[in-house]
Amino acid sequence: QKEVEQNSGPLSVPEGAIASLNCTYSDRGSQSFFWYRQYSGKSPELIMFIYSNGDKEDGRFTAQLNKASQYVSLLIRDSQPSDSATYLCAVADSGSARQLTFGSGTQLTVLP
Amino acid sequence: KAGVTQTPRYLIKTRGQQVTLSCSPISGHRSVSWYQQTPGQGLQFLFEYFSETQRNKGNFPGRFSGRQFSNSRSEMNVSTLELGDSALYLCASSMRTITDTQYFGPGTRLTVL
Repeated sequence: QKEVEQNSGPLSVPEGAIASLNCTYSDRGSQSFFWYRQYSGKSPELIMFIYSNGDKEDGRFTAQLNKASQYVSLLIRDSQPSDSATYLCAVADSGSARQLTFGSGTQLTVLP
Repeated sequence: KAGVTQTPRYLIKTRGQQVTLSCSPISGHRSVSWYQQTPGQGLQFLFEYFSETQRNKGNFPGRFSGRQFSNSRSEMNVSTLELGDSALYLCASSMRTITDTQYFGPGTRLTVL
């Protein structure tokens, strides 16, 4: 059973702070990693993907990947109240890139 | 470019009935995957279709099935509905490259009474 674990929430940060979300995975052969944001009552929205070890930055978001440690993280800089949502870590199966295993999600609240 | 569309958005059924959900992928995307989201189990992979063939299947009973048409539109069917099938059913489309990204539709909220 391939597993994806996310740090338990909920997580609250003040507006303007850095929010740090973490994820570990069990499938050592996984090559593709994704972060989705899901607002209450909505479907998941892709915000970042990362395939190579190291950091990948996109605006206020930075994804970090360490395949040796089987660890993925997402940093949100200058957090805004509109960032309040559940963040889902997803890992593509080593046998099929379209079969994603999701973590249970971390609920983030950014306090004004 | 239009996103993934799913119909209907909401459904109410009773136990024992069957249901068919529809998904139209983003233009140019030929792979469609289906997921089930429940509060207890989270987001779980159901199956993927590409070129009208099921390519991968998750750990769900045979009551869950699907198909894909030549225009890449996909349907999933759940027969003999159970209360536990109440969930948000999400469709995701992708271009099916080696390092792929999937984009989700708005989902169909199924309630089984």
